[in-house]
Amino acid sequence: AQSVTQLDSQVPVFEEAPVELRCNYSSSVSVYLFWYVQYPNQGLQLLLKYLSGSTLVKGINGFEAEFNKSQTSFHLRKPSVHISDTAEYFCAVMRRGGAQKLVFGQGTRLTINP
Amino acid sequence: DTGVSQDPRHKITKRGQNVTFRCDPISEHNRLYWYRQTLGQGPEFLTYFQNEAQLEKSRLLSDRFSAERPKGSFSTLEIQRTEQGDSAMYLCASSSRVAGALSTDTQYFGPGTRLTVL
Repeated sequence: AQSVTQLDSQVPVFEEAPVELRCNYSSSVSVYLFWYVQYPNQGLQLLLKYLSGSTLVKGINGFEAEFNKSQTSFHLRKPSVHISDTAEYFCAVMRRGGAQKLVFGQGTRLTINP
Repeated sequence: DTGVSQDPRHKITKRGQNVTFRCDPISEHNRLYWYRQTLGQGPEFLTYFQNEAQLEKSRLLSDRFSAERPKGSFSTLEIQRTEQGDSAMYLCASSSRVAGALSTDTQYFGPGTRLTVL
């Protein structure tokens, strides 16, 4: 079975500051890794995903994430945040070659202060 | 807008009543998923369909829950004899199977149906 731990339930930062949202996963088999964002009253939207290849993955809205196999981590970063980045962020894994179901972490609420 | 749609967006019901939710996937997406999200938690997988076939069901899906996808298009999720613990956001997602050993199809989520059981 797979599990995901998002190490921070809430992260407040000031506008234009850098941010890192941490994600660790546990799995006995190889997985794909994802970050989703959920804006208020909206559905989940895919930010980025890691399937294979380069461990640094770039996504939408200036976000990027780095896969670290030895530390089983997939932290999300942005060098300069905007007010519009205020949302809930979810890290998720999917077993390679298995059922196409996502296993999510509990989420990190990112709040951008002016 | 051709995204995933869900109906209703909100449902308030009394304990013991039956409720049914509908999900319309993105046109021509052959895979459809249901997840449940409780307050302060990430979504949890419930079940998924490829075309009209229900391929996997979570142990979270008790015998009071049933999902269908007739004709491989829209899907319904029914909860019988609702309990207060069923209060949650029910999310639907759809995807289109992508060929290739190292590929996985992206799941597109709808806005969800928020269920409140009184």
